[in-house]
Amino acid sequence: DVKVTQSSRYLVKRTGEKVFLECVQDMDHENMFWYRQDPGLGLRLIYFSYDVKMKEKGDIPEGYSVSREKKERFSLILESASTNQTSMYLCASSNRDRGSKEQYFGPGTRLTVT
Amino acid sequence: GEDVEQSLFLSVREGDSSVINCTYTDSSSTYLYWYKQEPGAGLQLLTYIFSNMDMKQDQRLTVLLNKKDKHLSLRIADTQTGDSAIYFCAEGIYSGYNKLIFGAGTRLAVHP
Repeated sequence: DVKVTQSSRYLVKRTGEKVFLECVQDMDHENMFWYRQDPGLGLRLIYFSYDVKMKEKGDIPEGYSVSREKKERFSLILESASTNQTSMYLCASSNRDRGSKEQYFGPGTRLTVT
Repeated sequence: GEDVEQSLFLSVREGDSSVINCTYTDSSSTYLYWYKQEPGAGLQLLTYIFSNMDMKQDQRLTVLLNKKDKHLSLRIADTQTGDSAIYFCAEGIYSGYNKLIFGAGTRLAVHP
């Protein structure tokens, strides 16, 4: 059974803290993604990685960075958390094959910044 | 630009059919998707349709695609309470990888 796991389901942090969100997949996928989900806005892509140490900015990268040191693990970093980063964060992975259709999602991390 | 729009709420009676509609703007999309998100869970792929098809049926699910009008719909026959969830429409655009552009999601509420 395919599996994408995220380190925390719920997280509460203070403004200005450095926050790490971790994602691990066990499907040997090349591609990994970080999205944020907000009501009425759907999912928006923050960053994408297509290989170890490789990354590309998505549609809303400001205030975020990422790290991919191992193929199975993709980390999202909030260097200095702000209240407007309170959101649901979803990680996903997919095969690099052009014909590959599906992105597999983790359960999400609900982050609250106070 | 890339944009996907769908209505935010739909309420149906148990046993009736549900129809969730979606419009998209990018004509270069390769696949169009419906994802389902149950409470407290991530997204799960429900079904997809290749952009050169106009209909796909999978058990209780029927996907209709009108490429000329860039309109996608998902019909759920005999809707059950277990179908209550948020349904996301997404278009897939290949630009070095399969990028997904999501709509805002339609919350389906099924009542007895």
